Amino acid sequence: KAGVTQTPRYLIKTRGQQVTLSCSPISGHRSVSWYQQTPGQGLQFLFEYFSETQRNKGNFPGRFSGRQFSNSRSEMNVSTLELGDSALYLCASSSGDSGWRSPLHFGNGTRLTVT
Amino acid sequence: AQSVTQLGSHVSVSEGALVLLRCNYSSSVPPYLFWYVQYPNQGLQLLLKYTTGATLVKGINGFEAEFKKSETSFHLTKPSAHMSDAAEYFCAVSESEKLTFGTGTRLTIIP
Repeated sequence: KAGVTQTPRYLIKTRGQQVTLSCSPISGHRSVSWYQQTPGQGLQFLFEYFSETQRNKGNFPGRFSGRQFSNSRSEMNVSTLELGDSALYLCASSSGDSGWRSPLHFGNGTRLTVT
Repeated sequence: AQSVTQLGSHVSVSEGALVLLRCNYSSSVPPYLFWYVQYPNQGLQLLLKYTTGATLVKGINGFEAEFKKSETSFHLTKPSAHMSDAAEYFCAVSESEKLTFGTGTRLTIIP
């Protein structure tokens, strides 16, 4: 079974630009979560989608948004990029049937650098 | 509110020595507990999980963890460290509506 695929692996953007990251979950998984990982803040939860609906949301500004398609693939968008948005963005999928009690399967992440 | 504390952001052990990574949690309901490992330039990988039942949980790569309710702990151990164990380890606690990760422990193996 193919794992969670995130594209692109690396991205360099300029302040003020916007960016879209993509995540393809494991086949059959209906839940997709997004995390931001930085050395200073660790793993921070952005949001979770389940069957095309946002089910949970973390404490990030509205510049961070996401969506999920009918095939469970998900995209995350960050508008008006700031230097502090530089991070590793991780996507994780799960069956979602048991809420947060289902183990997460992570992709290798997208490393975003904002200059 | 649930929370996770990982004692020691950096741990170094000699190759062949015991690995002990500490995790304490707080939860208002019986928790589900997880350990994840992150190798350089990769995402997180599930090592093991505790749901209900047996309190000693065995995971991949020779790791195990013991759930101790009285101590609210879920420490990760491995009897003999290998060079390939060098990575960052995350403890996580889950209630029905939320998953919380610890801040991680970077494990270094000394040859």
